Amino acid sequence: DAGVIQSPRHEVTEMGQEVTLRCKPISGHDYLFWYRQTMMRGLELLIYFNNNVPIDDSGMPEDRFSAKMPNASFSTLKIQPSEPRDSAVYFCASSPGWGADNQPQHFGDGTRLSIL
Amino acid sequence: DAKTTQPPSMDCAEGRAANLPCNHSTISGNEYVYWYRQIHSQGPQYIIHGLKNNETNEMASLIITEDRKSSTLILPHATLRDTAVYYCIVRVATGANSKLTFGKGITLSVRP
Repeated sequence: DAGVIQSPRHEVTEMGQEVTLRCKPISGHDYLFWYRQTMMRGLELLIYFNNNVPIDDSGMPEDRFSAKMPNASFSTLKIQPSEPRDSAVYFCASSPGWGADNQPQHFGDGTRLSIL
Repeated sequence: DAKTTQPPSMDCAEGRAANLPCNHSTISGNEYVYWYRQIHSQGPQYIIHGLKNNETNEMASLIITEDRKSSTLILPHATLRDTAVYYCIVRVATGANSKLTFGKGITLSVRP
């Protein structure tokens, strides 16, 4: 079975540009998570969705960040305008359940983003 | 969620058991212990989780002390491919807003 698929794997762009990261969750998974990983802050949850609806976006750093899930098989994380401090590895994960279900999260291999 | 404490690193010989400790002295009765690992340049991978009983699956065993204040992840026959950062996470199961909070983890190096 295909796992969580993220694209692109690497992105290098100049500050001020719009960046769009993409994620295809595992089919049948109702929950989708976006994380960011940096050396300084480790792995942080940015936002998560249940059945395409955003549930908790308290980890989104500021208004420059937005995430959407237009359907069950696709999500985007957008940064506009991008800044050098946004450089990080961004991971998408999906899960068939959350809360009391105790289902594990399955992670993609991430997008390594560099803002120059 | 309760905080966890892990040593920064450890190593073991290939083919031997790797025992990775984790302290979670402030864990609550309804909080589960989860283990994930992250191999270099990959996303985190779920290993195992438990509440109070010991658990075993095809990847590892999880031993939780009776007072639940600490646990040990056991990789019975470590291979070079098990070299990774291992995260011990405590998470409350109930409540849709519960999060996986990743700390610094422990870096396991398996030597030939």
